Amino acid sequence: EVQLVESGGGLVKPGGSLRLSCAASGFTFRTYSMNWVRQAPGKGLEWLSSISSNSDYIYYADSVKGRFSISRDNAKNSLYLHMNSLRAEDTAVYYCARDLAPAAVPSRWFDTWGQGTLVTVSS
Amino acid sequence: QSALTQPASVSGSPGQSITISCTGTSSDAGDYESVSWYQQRPGKAPKLMIYDVSNRPSGVSNRFSGSKSGNTASLTISGLQAEDEAHYYCSSFTTDTTQLFGGGTILTVL
Repeated sequence: EVQLVESGGGLVKPGGSLRLSCAASGFTFRTYSMNWVRQAPGKGLEWLSSISSNSDYIYYADSVKGRFSISRDNAKNSLYLHMNSLRAEDTAVYYCARDLAPAAVPSRWFDTWGQGTLVTVSS
Repeated sequence: QSALTQPASVSGSPGQSITISCTGTSSDAGDYESVSWYQQRPGKAPKLMIYDVSNRPSGVSNRFSGSKSGNTASLTISGLQAEDEAHYYCSSFTTDTTQLFGGGTILTVL
């Protein structure tokens, strides 16, 4: 079974840092581009970042560029999101999502999602 | 860039068809490509329903279809069922390599 499991969320103070992890299983992780998408409470979806299968291509939304960093460890079947300088508006459920099909460049079609991990930024 | 524009809500009776629109803003390049659609039920992760404008992933009912004309993409659901009640989001890869989501549309099956 294809599965993504996020972890690392929690309560953090404004200006703080957090690292989210996404453990993948049930598919050949190293061949798929991966993504992070978040959803603030009661709000819509917001794409944050994408990384290609071999990390050659990395993209960020303007809202997190310079503060967040995406990375992956194909040997550990894991995706990460390093978040710095956190703000109240970063409070959201953070989802990792897999691209629909293996390819060299991210397709941005997200066919498998984790259950999400909640990040709360508050003093 | 601004989010893609969707109607806040649509509704229909069981068996009817509904269409949800998704429009890019005129101030953008207007070349929205690679449109996809997601269904999200309360408390659940989104589910991919349509990719690359009009393609259905394996397992998605053929009652769901997508199309695009100019800057406006559309999701049509035919033969509405109670289980279709959910939020629907469009998404598009843009010319500056970012990815946008629409604001979401809540579908109510009357």
